[in-house]
Amino acid sequence: QVQLVQSGAEVKKPGASVKVSCKASGYTFSNYVIHWVRQAPGQRFEWLGWINTVNGNTKYSQSFQGRVTITRDTSASTTYMELSSLRSEDTAVYYCARSYRAVALVMVYWGQGTLVTVSS
Amino acid sequence: EIVLTQSPGTLSLSPGERATLSCRASQSIGSSYLAWYQQKPGQAPRLLIYGASSGATGVPDRFSGSGSGTDFTLTISRLEPEDFAVYFCQQYGSSVTFGPGTKVDLK
Repeated sequence: QVQLVQSGAEVKKPGASVKVSCKASGYTFSNYVIHWVRQAPGQRFEWLGWINTVNGNTKYSQSFQGRVTITRDTSASTTYMELSSLRSEDTAVYYCARSYRAVALVMVYWGQGTLVTVSS
Repeated sequence: EIVLTQSPGTLSLSPGERATLSCRASQSIGSSYLAWYQQKPGQAPRLLIYGASSGATGVPDRFSGSGSGTDFTLTISRLEPEDFAVYFCQQYGSSVTFGPGTKVDLK
């Protein structure tokens, strides 16, 4: 069955960077896009960006452009999301999610979420 | 950026009743690029509807979506006990943005 398993919770200081991993299994990794989204406490989901796992091309939300980097390691079926210049408002649960069939911007399988806490 | 608003914020209903949830976009979403998700506490979201009205694989047919342009609706024809959850919409016609959610709770 399709699984996306994310790395564990992180606590970071303001100004630092965080890198979260997402390991995929149960399907052909390069056949689908991987998205990264986040949900801060009591807030709506925010989309950070996505990666084409075939060629590594990325597209980022304008809200995070310049602060977020999404990469992939096809040999490990793993994608990574790095967010820099962290501030307290970045405290949230970060999710990776796989696209649905040919509808690249719809998300059908989700990781379990990674809590990132930014605190001095 | 397209901003999505959802109403009502909370819908209190009983099992067997019909639920009608609204999602409105700040500008037209081309070609009905709208999806609906269900989320239960402590769980990741579950895709229900994409393309405004197409059911995702394995989703019961009591869930249906409709609408176009700026106004979209998710209907649950007869609520089952497992349907009490938060429902949110997502547009993917211009970048990707999400609505704040509607909570369907037990009356």
